[in-house]
Amino acid sequence: GQNIDQPTEMTATEGAIVQINCTYQTSGFNGLFWYQQHAGEAPTFLSYNVLDGLEEKGRFSSFLSRSKGYSYLLLKELQMKDSASYLCAALMEYGNKLVFGAGTILRVKS
Amino acid sequence: KAGVTQTPRYLIKTRGQQVTLSCSPISGHRSVSWYQQTPGQGLQFLFEYFSETQRNKGNFPGRFSGRQFSNSRSEMNVSTLELGDSALYLCASSRDGFSGNTIYFGEGSWLTVV
Repeated sequence: GQNIDQPTEMTATEGAIVQINCTYQTSGFNGLFWYQQHAGEAPTFLSYNVLDGLEEKGRFSSFLSRSKGYSYLLLKELQMKDSASYLCAALMEYGNKLVFGAGTILRVKS
Repeated sequence: KAGVTQTPRYLIKTRGQQVTLSCSPISGHRSVSWYQQTPGQGLQFLFEYFSETQRNKGNFPGRFSGRQFSNSRSEMNVSTLELGDSALYLCASSRDGFSGNTIYFGEGSWLTVV
């Protein structure tokens, strides 16, 4: 079976750091994607981890541990525009299939 | 370069009708996949095409079908529409569909079935 778990909602303050966790159990795994989705819009690519470790890209970093079935997205220096849904998705071994978590709604307050 | 382009962006159909949605991938991308997004079920995989062949299929009824053309453009069709088919339909593309290639999404087609 395939199961992707992430928190439903999180709230953080502008300028702060927030970590969004994602755990996965999948039969076959080829990497972990993070997407940002604002209400009424399409998902926007943030990061893709294939190997264990931390990938840093500006204010956003993503970490993967394949042995633990665990990933997190770290957002630094939060801005109001970061208020959105953050989707964790596992890439299956074959056929470019992404299995998505339900998404974490992040609310950034001033 | 241009991103993933989907048409139409918005459409309203009546129960029982059929609908065709179109997707043009990023230039050079040969893998195209389709997803359905609803508030209740989230993002769910429909199918994926690579070099005109369907490589993977999700758990949707046979009313949902798709195809890919030699220029990598793809279409999906939903026949005998039901109210529950109202959703955002997203197309995604990647270079060759193998590990290591980023997957990008289009803006989506909003389908309302009345």
